[in-house]
Amino acid sequence: EDQVTQSPEALRLQEGESSSLNCSYTVSGLRGLFWYRQDPGKGPEFLFTLYSAGEEKEKERLKATLTKKESFLHITAPKPEDSATYLCAVQAESGGSYIPTFGRGTSLIVHP
Amino acid sequence: KAGVTQTPRYLIKTRGQQVTLSCSPISGHRSVSWYQQTPGQGLQFLFEYFSETQRNKGNFPGRFSGRQFSNSRSEMNVSTLELGDSALYLCASSLDISNYGYTFGSGTRLTVV
Repeated sequence: EDQVTQSPEALRLQEGESSSLNCSYTVSGLRGLFWYRQDPGKGPEFLFTLYSAGEEKEKERLKATLTKKESFLHITAPKPEDSATYLCAVQAESGGSYIPTFGRGTSLIVHP
Repeated sequence: KAGVTQTPRYLIKTRGQQVTLSCSPISGHRSVSWYQQTPGQGLQFLFEYFSETQRNKGNFPGRFSGRQFSNSRSEMNVSTLELGDSALYLCASSLDISNYGYTFGSGTRLTVV
């Protein structure tokens, strides 16, 4: 069974303190890995799609990387507005479909 | 550009009742997917519709059903509600089927009492 595990479950940072969130996966035939950000009371907001090992994407203070077993979301010099839950989802072939499997998320709080 | 619109935002129902939730995707998006989000299980896939046809289905009982109209708007229905159906129900749209760089709506918070 496909597994997507995110760590840590919760992370508290001081403003400006860089860190990384992890998303490890055990799937065969990865077609895509997605990162989303979710604010309280809202639906997830799409951030990145990564397709192959070695790929990297950046957006403002966020940088996502992908290896064959895991993805990292690096947050450089975070600000309080980066506080949110970050979700990753993995898309792989399973029984003829490509439905993404979501991890449980990492809840990030950035203190001013 | 209008986002994905879900109605209603909040709903309280009694066990045994049924409920219908509505989703209007982004204009031009033809695929609509539904998810259930709970603290215990996280985001779980319910189903995906494209061109008015259900193309993928998650591991939920038959009490959960949906449909898509010719304008890509979608509804999901839950019959014989159980307490465990209390959750945030999220609709997500994308341009094409199996394109999972979704745009999500804000969800419908369903509470079953």
